[in-house]
Amino acid sequence: QKEVEQDPGPLSVPEGAIVSLNCTYSNSAFQYFMWYRQYSRKGPELLMYTYSSGNKEDGRFTAQVDKSSKYISLFIRDSQPSDSATYLCAMSATTRLTGGGNKLTFGTGTQLKVEL
Amino acid sequence: KAGVTQTPRYLIKTRGQQVTLSCSPISGHRSVSWYQQTPGQGLQFLFEYFSETQRNKGNFPGRFSGRQFSNSRSEMNVSTLELGDSALYLCASRSTGSSIYEQYFGPGTRLTVT
Repeated sequence: QKEVEQDPGPLSVPEGAIVSLNCTYSNSAFQYFMWYRQYSRKGPELLMYTYSSGNKEDGRFTAQVDKSSKYISLFIRDSQPSDSATYLCAMSATTRLTGGGNKLTFGTGTQLKVEL
Repeated sequence: KAGVTQTPRYLIKTRGQQVTLSCSPISGHRSVSWYQQTPGQGLQFLFEYFSETQRNKGNFPGRFSGRQFSNSRSEMNVSTLELGDSALYLCASRSTGSSIYEQYFGPGTRLTVT
């Protein structure tokens, strides 16, 4: 079983819909949670990051973390065709380079299409 | 400031051959990480270099290797290619002291092994 599970989709919604993207994880040491957006033929770009449980809002995007359920969500309000992309969740137990170096664990990504 | 660049963008190789991919980080960034992205496994960490030293390595066979030069540019090599090595290879750079999420990805090199 993977440490991070993410429904690959594809998820197709009409313009203006509220989109909910989710990941579950098994490693209780994860404390830092990130969402990346990846357009076709591009590398991932960071959308949002949160620490521990709670909500964080940035414009039309809201990230939610429920550590008790090991469940994170990204909500997109008033979705636009330009939001069509693959959304990746990522998690880490630390934020700094330690003796072990890079510790980001990614989900497989959910493909989202927002239709006119 | 220019972003992370990767060359070549697309590559087709035959099983058994070897391949070298290149990554130029953002100016001033000394850390470069490499990832393999496939539909089934998602992004998987290959290795990270900082100041020409490998800091950490993921769970990939020894056929996958890398190095970093004094100008922070990095190369990744895969020897004895297998069909399963077909993937998008991404590199990401970050600055000294930055947090793990403060890394910037390049557009990737799409490797197809036939």
